Amino acid sequence: GDSVTQMEGPVTLSEEAFLTINCTYTATGYPSLFWYVQYPGEGLQLLLKATKADDKGSNKGFEATYRKETTSFHLEKGSVQVSDSAVYFCALSTEANAGGTSYGKLTFGQGTILTVHP
Amino acid sequence: GAVVSQHPSWVICKSGTSVKIECRSLDFQATTMFWYRQFPKQSLMLMATSNEGSKATYEQGVEKDKFLINHASLTLSTLTVTSAHPEDSSFYICSARAHWDRSYNSPLHFGNGTRLTVT
Repeated sequence: GDSVTQMEGPVTLSEEAFLTINCTYTATGYPSLFWYVQYPGEGLQLLLKATKADDKGSNKGFEATYRKETTSFHLEKGSVQVSDSAVYFCALSTEANAGGTSYGKLTFGQGTILTVHP
Repeated sequence: GAVVSQHPSWVICKSGTSVKIECRSLDFQATTMFWYRQFPKQSLMLMATSNEGSKATYEQGVEKDKFLINHASLTLSTLTVTSAHPEDSSFYICSARAHWDRSYNSPLHFGNGTRLTVT
């Protein structure tokens, strides 16, 4: 089955430090890849995504590149801020079908807690 | 846009009682809704997928008689935990796919989750 593995946290950084959160996946078929972020007290929200090999997703200074050869989608940011403190989830989506209806089924990694100190 | 409201945000109930959790799409029609369960320090586990007007599709190992899902309208899905026990204590999260997102690689919109504690 499909699975996503993220680096274990928590990750603690000082402001303006470089961030990398590793993510690797296994999937049947050709998945789309996502990073979701969950800020304290809020629901998950999409941070960025990539739908095919070598695509780079980017948003709010974060980047991740879809590497099919290494089945990876590592999240990076050159200079983190205190406001980036959150839980980050790597996820993949493959097409699934049920009752004649096609839908995307998200499989998540375990999440990585990031804390950024001033 | 694309706001999902989940209620209650937390609930405490006694063992043997049932609890209903609501998930509403406030500004869009949700053709498909997903219910996840999250254990502490663990990933989100998909419990079931529901399409409006049809029966939910449950993931392997999820008891459909215990976790009743109803998606009666395009803006509301409910999860009822029946005869709850302490091992059902968890964080439950709903998410929805908007009617304009036809592709499986479109993002989902998440509620803030419900913390269920069964005593």
